[in-house]
Amino acid sequence: EVVLTQSPATLSLSPGERATLSCRASQSISNYLAWYQQKPGQAPRLLIYDASNRATGIPARFSGSGSGTDFTLTISGLEPEDFVVYYCQQRSTWPLLTFGGGTKVEIK
Amino acid sequence: EVQLVESGGGLIQPGGSLRLSCAASGFTVSNNYMSWVRRAPGKGLEWVSIIYSGGNTYYADSVKGRFTLSRDNSKNTLYLQMNSLRAEDTAVYYCATVGRSRYFDGSWGQGTLVTVSS
Repeated sequence: EVVLTQSPATLSLSPGERATLSCRASQSISNYLAWYQQKPGQAPRLLIYDASNRATGIPARFSGSGSGTDFTLTISGLEPEDFVVYYCQQRSTWPLLTFGGGTKVEIK
Repeated sequence: EVQLVESGGGLIQPGGSLRLSCAASGFTVSNNYMSWVRRAPGKGLEWVSIIYSGGNTYYADSVKGRFTLSRDNSKNTLYLQMNSLRAEDTAVYYCATVGRSRYFDGSWGQGTLVTVSS
């Protein structure tokens, strides 16, 4: 089983700042990683797929990078609606999928 | 409009059974990968199970042997039969489509809460 470890668990930043979220895999997963955003009371929304591709309709301030075991989600210029929870998810072991534990971005 | 509506959640005692339903509209369940994902209180998302269009099913180790994923094509509905429930199964359960990308790039339901407690 591939274990995804997200860090930090909580990120405290101010609007307009840059957020850098990390996701580390327990073994190489190539670029088979996605990032999701989940707002309170809502289902998750796909932001980034295959490590660096923005999903349809996702603003350009969201970007992803990485391959192998280390991945990063960057939000350049936090908007008020971005202060929510983010998850990574791998499909390298399809059809067995796993999510990371999540990172909460909170207002400092 | 594509829509997924879960139902069947509730309070159940440890060791009990529950069946969740996910009614789909606007697309055909049997033509898609369909999955269940859960989120326990204060915890992250956990993938639970997936069904292929051909009917093959796969499960997370944490639920294998206890949960069964099935569908009724005539009702365009997905089911998750949950047996031998444990406290750690307490969560909001979401059904979702999985795209050809093999990511959750489509629709999600609103979720249904399952609470396992005596």
